Formats: sequence, C-alpha cells, structure tokens
Amino acid sequence: KQEVTQIPAALSVPEGENLVLNCSFTDSAIYNLQWFRQDPGKGLTSLLLIQSSQREQTSGRLNASLDKSSGRSTLYIAASQPGDSATYLCALQMDSSYKLIFGSGTRLLVRP
Amino acid sequence: SQTIHQWPATLVQPVGSPLSLECTVEGTSNPNLYWYRQAAGRGLQLLFYSVGIGQISSEVPQNLSASRPQDRQFILSSKKLLLSDSGFYLCAWTMTSYNEQFFGPGTRLTVL
Repeated sequence: KQEVTQIPAALSVPEGENLVLNCSFTDSAIYNLQWFRQDPGKGLTSLLLIQSSQREQTSGRLNASLDKSSGRSTLYIAASQPGDSATYLCALQMDSSYKLIFGSGTRLLVRP
Repeated sequence: SQTIHQWPATLVQPVGSPLSLECTVEGTSNPNLYWYRQAAGRGLQLLFYSVGIGQISSEVPQNLSASRPQDRQFILSSKKLLLSDSGFYLCAWTMTSYNEQFFGPGTRLTVL
C-alpha cells in the first residue's frame, strides 16, 4: 500500500527566504506526482504536475523535482512571499484511473 | 477554459437526514470525475470516481453513494447522515489526455 509522507508538517520562515518542502513515498511505481496548495477553507490549486518520465517541472518561483528510485519529490520555492502562506500537498497517481493518494501536507507561514 | 462548480458551499444537517451534493464541470467533455473528503485532522481521502456516465467506483465502504447522470455532473448522496460524515467535500476532474487533476471550491458539511 502506498504511503505518502510530507516533512516538515509546519514551517515558518521570514519573507525572501528560499525553502524546500519534502514528499516521500514507499512505492516507486508511480504514474505521476502533483503538487497543490490549499488556502484555509478553500479547494486545492494545482501547482505542478510531474509525469513519471520527467525529473522536474518549473513554474515561476516554483520548482518541483522527482526521484522515483529513492521515492522522493521536493518542491522548491524561491524568494518566498507572505502570499505563499498556505498548506502544500503532494499527491501521487498510481495508475491510469488518475486517482490521487495524498500526503498530510506542509503548513507554510511566510512572515513579513 | 474549464471550470468546476460545487454546491452548496456550506451545509448544516441533522443526523439521519438525507444529503445531496452536486458537482458540474464546464468546458470539457468525458472527464474523469472524483469525490474526495477532507475530515478534521485527517488527510484527503478518495471516496468515489467515475470514468463515464453511470460508471461509479467506490474506494471505501461508507454511508455515502455517488451517481453520474450526465457527462459533466457528479452527485454525492446519503440516505441518512452520520456524525462521522462531517467534513470538507471536494470534487475534481481529469482529462485522460493529460493527467493533471483540478479541484472545485468544496462543500463544508457539518452534521449535528
């Protein structure tokens, strides 16, 4: 059974700092990996999708990497801003049904 | 562009009452559709998914059911709500041609 772990559970940083969020998984036979952000009381916003054949994806100040062999993905946020404060979730697709298995998330606070 | 709608946004229901939550997707055809639940202190859990009209797969045994009467409509129902059905219900969609999953704004259900 696939298990997804996100470390740290919570993170508080000053504005402008570069930071890394970690996601690890136990079964490396994944289809795709997707990173989301969730603001309090809101739905999920897709940030980046990494297909199993890819090693990284970039969007603006965000960069996500995937290492299937070690069962790890990282989300790098450059020059963090208070508006980046949210919960960040990684989720795995294991097959062509595209069902998602979620980690428990990292709650990020960027202090002005 | 594609959009996903959920209603109602919030709902407070007594134990034993029926439930109907609706999700509709615009701007696409033949999407895969998903219902997830986010309970307090717990992660996101997949409840149901559908690859076409009338085709429903259940992921966990529970007090809920789902239906897909039209291509872009997905309904979550219950005949008698339990306290444990409280949570944040999220609908999502994916196109099989591209695996990224997109989420609706969610419905906050409180069962009293």
